Amino acid sequence: QKEVEQDPGPLSVPEGAIVSLNCTYSNSAFQYFMWYRQYSRKGPELLMYTYSSGNKEDGRFTAQVDKSSKYISLFIRDSQPSDSATYLCAMRSYSGNTPLVFGKGTRLSVIA
Amino acid sequence: SAVISQKPSRDICQRGTSLTIQCQVDSQVTMMFWYRQQPGQSLTLIATANQGSEATYESGFVIDKFPISRPNLTFSTLTVSNMSPEDSSIYLCSVEDGRGGNTEAFFGQGTRLTVV
Repeated sequence: QKEVEQDPGPLSVPEGAIVSLNCTYSNSAFQYFMWYRQYSRKGPELLMYTYSSGNKEDGRFTAQVDKSSKYISLFIRDSQPSDSATYLCAMRSYSGNTPLVFGKGTRLSVIA
Repeated sequence: SAVISQKPSRDICQRGTSLTIQCQVDSQVTMMFWYRQQPGQSLTLIATANQGSEATYESGFVIDKFPISRPNLTFSTLTVSNMSPEDSSIYLCSVEDGRGGNTEAFFGQGTRLTVV
């Protein structure tokens, strides 16, 4: 079993839809959870960062962590065509000095 | 935040040759990282480039195949040696900002390598 599982999609939604992206993990030592967005031919950029169970909101984006279920989610409200990208979850055991472990990424297309 | 310049952005290379990828950061950083991103796969850490010492390689990656230099705190290179088509991938340079408990990883735009 891989440490981090993420459905690669592709996921196609109409503009304005709510998008739900998910990752599961097996290592209970993971404490820090991130979502990265990667546009085509670009490097990943950090979208959301959280280290506790619960929800964290930033504009149209909400990151949700359930450590008891080893499950994290990213919700995108009122999705826009500019949200079309690959979304990667990432996590690590401690802050710094331990490698990030990435999911495979989910390719999202928002259709106008 | 850190701004990372990575070059070349893409290249097509003949098998058996080597390619050196450069990574320049706009600020001094302790650790720089090199990742590989193969189609349909996770970002995989190749090695951590340490200034003043040898790079630390992850399981499955060896120095002979992926030699790394780190001459100072703002620059690193990754060489992909004796390339084969299986080395076709995106290679990414990354640095981390470890202020407080929020350690954010910043990435270059990547080098898209095709080996023919």
